[in-house]
Amino acid sequence: TQLLEQSPQFLSIQEGENLTVYCNSSSVFSSLQWYRQEPGEGPVLLVTVVTGGEVKKLKRLTFQFGDARKDSSLHITAAQPGDTGLYLCAGTILRDGGATNKLIFGTGTLLAVQP
Amino acid sequence: NAGVTQTPKFQVLKTGQSMTLQCAQDMNHEYMSWYRQDPGMGLRLIHYSVGAGITDQGEVPNGYNVSRSTTEDFPLRLLSAAPSQTSVYFCASSSTGISGNTIYFGEGSWLTVV
Repeated sequence: TQLLEQSPQFLSIQEGENLTVYCNSSSVFSSLQWYRQEPGEGPVLLVTVVTGGEVKKLKRLTFQFGDARKDSSLHITAAQPGDTGLYLCAGTILRDGGATNKLIFGTGTLLAVQP
Repeated sequence: NAGVTQTPKFQVLKTGQSMTLQCAQDMNHEYMSWYRQDPGMGLRLIHYSVGAGITDQGEVPNGYNVSRSTTEDFPLRLLSAAPSQTSVYFCASSSTGISGNTIYFGEGSWLTVV
């Protein structure tokens, strides 16, 4: 059972289009991170969101943490071919006593931006 | 900067063989972990460690052993490899407490069990 579900699983768009990737769970997370992974490499951290309702922007990428800290979204404006890659959300589950030390990853969204 | 170093990068094993995937980090990080990545599954946590001498199970620990005798090293052992363990394995490290901290990944180890 995957604790973090991402949608869509695959996305192929044209350069210049906008897109949103979703990360959903029934669990509450103390923090949530977004990573981007290129073929043959490990994931690279893009952003960490900690507060419910938090919005962070990284150039054309906008990240939002849900108010209840159970979900997150990644919005890319005017996508470029260089945005192509596997996008992964990951979170540390919040339990009684605080955050756990387990970083759980989502299922991933494979994005292809066609020139 | 070496960061997180994994060896070997590629390995082919026969069913039943044993092997160890090595992971070393030079950032004095206390937290280290191992993940496996399979198509359509994202990364799944195998084992993790919050410091030397301390290890704990992740989501999919069966078939794998770990130890943490030093801060720098966190080897992953497959005692009797099975085809289901064919995967890409990533080691990661972070400073104390992963919540909100940057996690650094190695480049991955591609393992095929035939």
